[in-house]
Parts: sequence; structure tokens; C-alpha cells
Amino acid sequence: QVQLVQSGSELKKPGASVILSCKASGYTFTDYAMSWVRQAPGQGLEWMGWINTKAGNPEYAQGFTGRFVFSLDTAVSTAYLQISTLKPEDSAVYYCATLGFTYGLDYWGQGTLVTVSS
Amino acid sequence: QSALTQPASVSGSPGQSITISCTGTSSDVGGYNYVSWYQQHLGKAPKLMIYEVRIRPSGVSDRFSGSKSANTASLTISGLQPEDEADYYCSSFTSITSLGVFGGGTKLTVL
Repeated sequence: QVQLVQSGSELKKPGASVILSCKASGYTFTDYAMSWVRQAPGQGLEWMGWINTKAGNPEYAQGFTGRFVFSLDTAVSTAYLQISTLKPEDSAVYYCATLGFTYGLDYWGQGTLVTVSS
Repeated sequence: QSALTQPASVSGSPGQSITISCTGTSSDVGGYNYVSWYQQHLGKAPKLMIYEVRIRPSGVSDRFSGSKSANTASLTISGLQPEDEADYYCSSFTSITSLGVFGGGTKLTVL
């Protein structure tokens, strides 16, 4: 069965960087793009963008350019989200999810909580 | 502000039916049949309930149905059950960015 397992919670200071991972199993990793979704505490879902797992090219939503980088290691079926120069407002749960051909997010990871605090 | 507009909350009693609306524009909901709906229980990851406006993934109860008219998509839940109490989000492809956008979410309370 399809599984996306994300890395554990992170506590970081403002200005630091963090790399989150999302390991896929149960399907051919390059068959589906991978999306990232942010959910701030008590807030709704925000589509951050997606990365083509065959070609490796990312697409970022407005507000997620510059400090946010999507990457892959196809050899280990893992997607990564790097956030640099962290700000307190980056505190949120970050989800990875497989992106279907008609923009449905079919399978989701369990989420990674990132807390940015001095 | 979210690109798609949903009511903040809806409620219903067990056994009743409710409908959640999701209003966009001709650049997203109205222009494409790429509308999806997600259920999120408190503290859990979202779950895909409907894709391509009205298609249920395998394993999703047929009490959940989707539809669309012009720029508004709808999720209907019939025969409400206590376990349906959750937050529901719609999403759509948008030609403005060639990415997806979410609605603000609707909290469903089963009375």
C-alpha cells in the first residue's frame, strides 16, 4: 500500500534552516509528482507547490519562492523540503502528498511540525 | 484570503444531509473539472474524499458525493454520522498559476 513517511518534529531558532523529508513506498516514486502543503496552527491548508519526480523540476506557489526549495533523491524514493532563514511565521505542520494527474492529492504523509522560536 | 470561498461552518444531526459549497471563478472551479475535496479530523492528515468534481476514491463511502455548477462546487454528505465531524477543504487547479488552490475550510459539526 502507498505510504508517505515524514521526518520528525523540528524546533528551530529564527534565521536557521531546516530540511524535511518524505519517504515514499508502495508505488513507483517517479510515477507521481509530489506536492507540499502547509498548515499553520489553527489555520487552513496552503498549497506550496509541487515537484516533478521524473524531471526534478519544481513549481512554487506565490509566497513560497526564495526561501523554500523542493528536491528529490529518487534512489531512495524521498522528497525533501528545505526552508532557509526561518521566521516565527513559518511555524506550521508541513505535509507531503502525491499529486494525481487531475490535481487531486491522493496520498498524504503524517505531517511534520516545525516550530520556530527563540 | 483563500482563493476559493467556503462557509466557515455547517452543522447537521445524525441521519440528515448537508452540503458544503466552494465558490471560485472561471479560472479555477468554473473552468476545469479538477475540483477535489478533503476531510481532516483534528490532529490528522487530510484525506482525499472526492476528485475530478464527483469521483470517489476506492474505500470512500458513497454517502459522500460531489457536484459542480458554474463557478461553485459542492460536497454533499448524506446520512450524517458522528465520525463525519471534521474539517472539509475543497481545492481546484487554477490557470492563473497553473497550480492548485484550497478553500478556507469548513468545520462540520454533527449535533
